[in-house]
Amino acid sequence: SQKIEQNSEALNIQEGKTATLTCNYTNYSPAYLQWYRQDPGRGPVFLLLIRENEKEKRKERLKVTFDTTLKQSLFHITASQPADSATYLCALVSVSGTYKYIFGTGTRLKVLA
Amino acid sequence: DTEVTQTPKHLVMGMTNKKSLKCEQHMGHRAMYWYKQKAKKPPELMFVYSYEKLSINESVPSRFSPECPNSSLLNLHLHALQPEDSALYLCASSQGGDRGNEQFFGPGTRLTVL
Repeated sequence: SQKIEQNSEALNIQEGKTATLTCNYTNYSPAYLQWYRQDPGRGPVFLLLIRENEKEKRKERLKVTFDTTLKQSLFHITASQPADSATYLCALVSVSGTYKYIFGTGTRLKVLA
Repeated sequence: DTEVTQTPKHLVMGMTNKKSLKCEQHMGHRAMYWYKQKAKKPPELMFVYSYEKLSINESVPSRFSPECPNSSLLNLHLHALQPEDSALYLCASSQGGDRGNEQFFGPGTRLTVL
């Protein structure tokens, strides 16, 4: 069966540390992988996209890696701040005629001051 | 304008009611999506419209009926819903085409079925 799992349901880290979130998938061959942030009661907000032929992408304090052999993506937030506290979702984008986005289970990150 | 709007923000309906959710975007996006999200769960894809044609229906019960009147609007018609259909309904749009573009999400409609 097809599964997209994010390492933990909840993750607490101290302010200033690097948060690392994991997205593992099975039985997919995604063309792209995206990361979104979702705050309570709001829609997800796009953060980063990485293509299957890319190993790493960066944007300010964010970094994403994509290993299609391991079927895994890592999402890093460096110098974390309490404002980074949110749920982070990975989304696989598969292509079969129309682009289909499948979301992972999500990780609730809490950055402690 | 990089916003997706959804109305209403909240909706309470009985199991015999008929209601509609509305979604609008003016970014020129050609793909629009409906998702259902239960508490502490990820969004689940329901429908995808590409160039105003329904391209994906994820085996959604017929009590949910999508409609795309034009490239900027997306509706979700609701009829004879069940209490388990209570959830946050999210609309999203993306450029479409072959680039796996980011999705822009609306704030959602919080639906309660009594």
